[in-house]
Amino acid sequence: GEDVEQSLFLSVREGDSSVINCTYTDSSSTYLYWYKQEPGAGLQLLTYIFSNMDMKQDQRLTVLLNKKDKHLSLRIADTQTGDSAIYFCADAPTARQLTFGSGTQLTVLP
Amino acid sequence: DTGVSQDPRHKITKRGQNVTFRCDPISEHNRLYWYRQTLGQGPEFLTYFQNEAQLEKSRLLSDRFSAERPKGSFSTLEIQRTEQGDSAMYLCASNHFSFGTSGGKNNEQFFGPGTRLTVL
Repeated sequence: GEDVEQSLFLSVREGDSSVINCTYTDSSSTYLYWYKQEPGAGLQLLTYIFSNMDMKQDQRLTVLLNKKDKHLSLRIADTQTGDSAIYFCADAPTARQLTFGSGTQLTVLP
Repeated sequence: DTGVSQDPRHKITKRGQNVTFRCDPISEHNRLYWYRQTLGQGPEFLTYFQNEAQLEKSRLLSDRFSAERPKGSFSTLEIQRTEQGDSAMYLCASNHFSFGTSGGKNNEQFFGPGTRLTVL
């Protein structure tokens, strides 16, 4: 079955770049997603990438995809305290559901 | 548009009781999804509707769980004879699926704040 894995924790200093990594197993996934979850709030879609792309940039966010290694990363430039949250990668092996990783807790230190 | 709403936000119940949660999707969204999220884990898919039709159910959805979307708008998720293992955050999401839309947008699901269930 599908499996999406992420490291659990990441701490960075304010102003530094954050890189959150994810691996997935389902090679049929055509789209991969990054969601952000803040306490008391719903999951917020940050960005997604088509599997035929290597990179996608959206303001401070850069997504890198290595399809051969099934590795996805999210880089946040100039990380701010407001970026502290849990970040989930997800793949969509079907057009009907998302399969999420366990999430990476990002802590931004002042 | 106020986004996806869920009610209640928190529910505490005793083991063996029945509970029902409600989800109001973004208007005009034809697809509605239910997920369950336990502490330290990502959301796990439970079921989804396209309009009023329930098209897929995960094996996580035991016989004690039932979901409905009678008019293709709001949805309810009922858990009968709750067990302590049912304690989790229940998330609802919605989107508009169209065959004429790119796949990425079709999976852009908008999530509600969730209902946190605690079974004592």
